[in-house]
Amino acid sequence: GAGVSQSPSNKVTEKGKDVELRCDPISGHTALYWYRQSLGQGLEFLIYFQGNSAPDKSGLPSDRFSAERTGGSVSTLTIQRTQQEDSAVYLCASSPRGGGTNYGYTFGSGTRLTVV
Amino acid sequence: RKEVEQDPGPFNVPEGATVAFNCTYSNSASQSFFWYRQDCRKEPKLLMSVYSSGNEDGRFTAQLNRASQYISLLIRDSKLSDSATYLCVVRTVGGGADGLTFGKGTHLIIQP
Repeated sequence: GAGVSQSPSNKVTEKGKDVELRCDPISGHTALYWYRQSLGQGLEFLIYFQGNSAPDKSGLPSDRFSAERTGGSVSTLTIQRTQQEDSAVYLCASSPRGGGTNYGYTFGSGTRLTVV
Repeated sequence: RKEVEQDPGPFNVPEGATVAFNCTYSNSASQSFFWYRQDCRKEPKLLMSVYSSGNEDGRFTAQLNRASQYISLLIRDSKLSDSATYLCVVRTVGGGADGLTFGKGTHLIIQP
């Protein structure tokens, strides 16, 4: 597609439920990133996929968070047993390649997750 | 010391004025630098890369000072539509997230 697509755009869930967030990167982009942004806060790195390499999971805040990327394209971020502190905007980004010099990211419009 | 630091503002600036803000980074091995713009309740969008020699894109000028480890963004003839949060982004080899670290942003308000 023309841009990075994320779904759903908004999600309200009850505490303790599992949620899945989807990201469809720009076609041909090998690098895919998940971030989250809480109200008034900066971007918090979660996980990074580059091609067929093992993902960099160093930013995942707990083992309730996991992500996968199938076929080097679409990615799903899963949060199990959601907690209220998980409420945030979850942003996905892609870039033509990882480890480049001046390649910026293109972000999706995000999923606004609210845990009640 | 935080990896990437920005004055959160807000900077309140009258329309037509020139405004500049800086960003400092802690890792001297940092290689690449960017400015992103984020509108309220929207995703960040790449504004411009920052090159060692400094670069200009219309009303926007970005500069890098490696010795002092800061980058700057200058906006001339500011427009109401420039109101946004400006994020400083630094790439460092070996860091997570492909080495990209985001600052928390500087909030700019252009007043009529």
